[in-house]
Amino acid sequence: GQQLNQSPQSMFIQEGEDVSMNCTSSSIFNTWLWYKQDPGEGPVLLIALYKAGELTSNGRLTAQFGITRKDSFLNISASIPSDVGIYFCAGPAYGGSQGNLIFGKGTKLSVKP
Amino acid sequence: ETGVTQSPTHLIKTRGQQVTLRCSSQSGHNTVSWYQQALGQGPQFIFQYYREEENGRGNFPPRFSGLQFPNYSSELNVNALELDDSALYLCASSLSGGNTEAFFGQGTRLTVV
Repeated sequence: GQQLNQSPQSMFIQEGEDVSMNCTSSSIFNTWLWYKQDPGEGPVLLIALYKAGELTSNGRLTAQFGITRKDSFLNISASIPSDVGIYFCAGPAYGGSQGNLIFGKGTKLSVKP
Repeated sequence: ETGVTQSPTHLIKTRGQQVTLRCSSQSGHNTVSWYQQALGQGPQFIFQYYREEENGRGNFPPRFSGLQFPNYSSELNVNALELDDSALYLCASSLSGGNTEAFFGQGTRLTVV
């Protein structure tokens, strides 16, 4: 079945650093969604992408819909402590049940010790 | 505008028991989806309700069932609880029955002992 592979699995950030993560699939997605989840909370929608090649920003966050429609990237500029959390990419399952979003396993951002 | 709210926030049940989780959708949203999130994983789609009917289902057994009410709120029922049902259960609401942006509640943490 369809899978979303996120990398890296985890990373450490120092305040002020830029952060990049990506999400890839062997199959095509028509929509890419990026969520952030804090401990004990539900995922919060950060950015939604609907067109191949689309580049969308939300404050310090920028996400891109890959041209091949098989990948997406999320960048965070000038990271701050509250950026810590787990970032998930998600997309609608092709040919799957209505409303079925497939999620990656997440990229965990932690503060550098 | 009120967001998605879920109750209860935490629950402990014994194997074999039944449980009902509740969700109020975001104001103006008519579609509710339920997800199961195991520790360290991304959310997995259980099913979706639109116009009070099941509108899509993931790979979950029939002992997972649901309801949607005229005010668009929803319930998730799980019968014959198993230890592996321990997870964070997330409710998401959206504007239509299709694959659009989904907004999540804070989740219900279910522990089966």
